[in-house]
This record gives sequence, C-alpha cells and structure tokens, in this order.
Amino acid sequence: KAGVTQTPRYLIKTRGQQVTLSCSPISGHRSVSWYQQTPGQGLQFLFEYFSETQRNKGNFPGRFSGRQFSNSRSEMNVSTLELGDSALYLCASKGDSTKNIQYFGAGTRLSVL
Amino acid sequence: KNQVEQSPQSLIILEGKNCTLQCNYTVSPFSNLRWYKQDTGRGPVSLTIMTFSENTKSNGRYTATLDADTKQSSLHITASQLSDSASYICVVIHNNAGNMLTFGGGTRLMVKP
Repeated sequence: KAGVTQTPRYLIKTRGQQVTLSCSPISGHRSVSWYQQTPGQGLQFLFEYFSETQRNKGNFPGRFSGRQFSNSRSEMNVSTLELGDSALYLCASKGDSTKNIQYFGAGTRLSVL
Repeated sequence: KNQVEQSPQSLIILEGKNCTLQCNYTVSPFSNLRWYKQDTGRGPVSLTIMTFSENTKSNGRYTATLDADTKQSSLHITASQLSDSASYICVVIHNNAGNMLTFGGGTRLMVKP
C-alpha cells in the first residue's frame, strides 16, 4: 500500500509569487491535514480536510488556503509569498480504522527568496 | 493556553546507551498523547499512542510513559542505535469535536558510535 505522497519535494519561489503543493493520501483515507514545520516554530497545524470539506483550521492568515478533491487528494495554496513562508510543509492522512493515527508524507521544502 | 514542552532540545549519546526524553503538556481536555520520530528529510512516523488510562506502552526499544495527573510523558530509548538519530516529537490531542493537535518543539537526538 503506497504511503502519503507529496509533490514537489523541493520548491524555490520569490516573494510575491504564489505556490500550490499537492498531497495524495493513503488509499482509503478521507482525512488530510497540512502542517508547516520551521526550526523556530516547530510543527504548526494549518488545516484539515475531510470528504472535500475543511474540518479544522489553524491560526494562519488567509494567504494559506487548501482544498480536497473527490478522490481525497488535497492541494494547499499560498499566495503572495513572504520570506517567512520558507518551511517544510507536511501533509498527513488519516483513515477511519487507524485509531486516529496520522501518516505523514515526506514533505515539500519551500524556499522563498 | 494549550502548550507542549519537550526537553531536552537536543541530546548526544553514545551508541548502546539509554536515554529518556521528556514531554510536559498543559492541553485540556486531554484525549491522547503520541510520540513521533522524524528522520532528517522525512515526515514524522508514529511510535506510540497513549490514552488517559495507559501508564506505559512499549514499541521495541522504545517505551513511553504517561502520568495524566502531572501531565507528563517520557520516551525511553534502550540500547540506542545509530538509526535512532532523529527528532522526537510529542503531540497531544485535545478531546473535542475537532480533535486538534498541539505539537511539542521536539528533541533532536544524535547517537554517536
């Protein structure tokens, strides 16, 4: 069974640009969560999608948005990039039968120049 | 305020030695606590999940303890191996409808030969 797949693995953008990150969850998992990980702040929750609906949202500005498709694949979009958005963005999927264990992807490392 | 504090921030030990990582939390209401291992360049991987009623849980050379009264957890690694070098993240799940997660800052463990 394939794990959580995130693409791309690495991304370099400049300030003001926008970026879209993709996450394919484990087959059968309907919940997809996104996290930002930085050395200074650690792991911070962005949002969770379940069956194409945003179920939870962290304390990030509106520049961070996401969506989930009918096949549970999810995308995260960041508009008007800032230098502080440089981070590792992790996606995690969770199934109904996994006792709420989240399985993480390898992440997308975003560098904003 | 819901917080998860981990100590130490970093730790260097010799291969074969034991070590204990600490996690203190102020999250309420509490649902469960998880320890994750994150290798460099990879997403976190679940090691253990502990509910309110569990005091100790083992996963191979990893043993987690939970004291729900003092809101403390520890992760003990026995007979460390070079492959144990990673960041260990403590995550506390809130017992509400949203099942929100609060992450600790992690402990960076380096095992030297």
